Amino acid sequence: NAGVTQTPKFRVLKTGQSMTLLCAQDMNHEYMYWYRQDPGMGLRLIHYSVGEGTTAKGEVPDGYNVSRLKKQNFLLGLESAAPSQTSVYFCASSLTGRGYTFGSGTRLTVV
Amino acid sequence: GENVEQHPSTLSVQEGDSAVIKCTYSDSASNYFPWYKQELGKRPQLIIDIRSNVGEKKDQRIAVTLNKTAKHFSLHITETQPEDSAVYFCAASIPSGTYKYIFGTGTRLKVLA
Repeated sequence: NAGVTQTPKFRVLKTGQSMTLLCAQDMNHEYMYWYRQDPGMGLRLIHYSVGEGTTAKGEVPDGYNVSRLKKQNFLLGLESAAPSQTSVYFCASSLTGRGYTFGSGTRLTVV
Repeated sequence: GENVEQHPSTLSVQEGDSAVIKCTYSDSASNYFPWYKQELGKRPQLIIDIRSNVGEKKDQRIAVTLNKTAKHFSLHITETQPEDSAVYFCAASIPSGTYKYIFGTGTRLKVLA
C-alpha cells in the first residue's frame, strides 16, 4: 500500500515547455486534488476531481489542465510553462472528503 | 467565497511551553476544520480535525477548539518538544459538497531546546 505517489519529484523546465505531473493512489479514493504551495501563501487548489472521468476548477486553474481517465490516477498538465508556475505541487486524495492524504510533492522550477 | 486567516506566521516557544495558533474563517456554513503539520521538505500530514457540531477535541498533547459564533478555531500544543517544530496549516471546508478546503497561510513553529 503505497498511498499517494507523485512523479516526478523534481523538474526544471524552460519557459514555454510542457509537462505532465502524475499522481497515483492505491486506496480506492474517489476524491483527488492538485494544490500548489508557494512561500507565504499556503496551499491553493488548482483543480480537483470527485470521481473517475470528472474534473473541476479550483482557486488558481489558469495555465493548467487535468485529466482523470482512471480512478487511481490524476494528471496535471502544463501546456506552456511560465516562471510564475515555479512552485511545489502536491496531490491529495480522500475517500470521503474528510482528511486528505497528500503525496510527497513535486518541486517544479521554470526558467 | 471562503477565506481563512491564520496567525501568527511564526512562533517561537521554549521546550515544555504551550503554543497556540489561531485561524478565522469567513463562511458560516463551513463545517469541517482540519489541521496539518508539515515538516521541512515533507508532505502535509493531518494531525487533528474538528467538525462544527463539536466545540473541542483533544489528542494527547494536541487540542483544537472551535467557536462557531466568532468563526474562529485554534490549535493548542502543550508541553512542546523539538519534534513539534514544523509549519502548521489550518483549513476550512468549502460548503459546496465537493470536499474542498481553503488553507491558511501557515505558521512556522520553532521549539527552542
